[in-house]
Amino acid sequence: AQSVAQPEDQVNVAEGNPLTVKCTYSVSGNPYLFWYVQYPNRGLQFLLKYITGDNLVKGSYGFEAEFNKSQTSFHLKKPSALVSDSALYFCAVQHGSSNTGKLIFGQGTTLQVKP
Amino acid sequence: GAVVSQHPSWVICKSGTSVKIECRSLDFQATTMFWYRQFPKQSLMLMATSNEGSKATYEQGVEKDKFLINHASLTLSTLTVTSAHPEDSSFYICSARMGFWTDTQYFGPGTRLTVL
Repeated sequence: AQSVAQPEDQVNVAEGNPLTVKCTYSVSGNPYLFWYVQYPNRGLQFLLKYITGDNLVKGSYGFEAEFNKSQTSFHLKKPSALVSDSALYFCAVQHGSSNTGKLIFGQGTTLQVKP
Repeated sequence: GAVVSQHPSWVICKSGTSVKIECRSLDFQATTMFWYRQFPKQSLMLMATSNEGSKATYEQGVEKDKFLINHASLTLSTLTVTSAHPEDSSFYICSARMGFWTDTQYFGPGTRLTVL
């Protein structure tokens, strides 16, 4: 069965410091991996995705993620956090050989950036 | 680009009534739309997949007669919660994608439903 795990319910970081939000996945075949961010009472905003190619993917708002096949991970990173980055972050996986487009979401990680 | 809207953004209704939520792709044609439900501080749960011109595919455990989905055009899908009850109160979010395979899903802002 496909699954996504975000092991941390909350990540706290000081403004200006680097941040990492962790994600591991389990899927047969090639995974398509996504990161989304959700602000309170809002829908999800797309940040970035990995389909194929370079393991380091750059996305919106200075975020990037590194695909690590051996560790089945797709951690979200940013070199210098902003207070405005504080939000709920979701990692999601889609089965690579499926055209249904179904996404399996992780449970979400709340990022708190303190001034 | 790739903007998805939902209407209404919030709705309060009485138990036993029906509520319709609209999901529109504003600047692209969506071959597929998805409907999710999200409980407070929880992840998104996929309810159904909707392809234009065909019947929706519901996830296991989702009552298709209670959550009616219509995908009438390439830019509009509707979710109707029939005979709503307080336990149907939730945040409903739709998403849309342009094509198949690797296309990204773009999400609407969500609709907060409260059933009294």
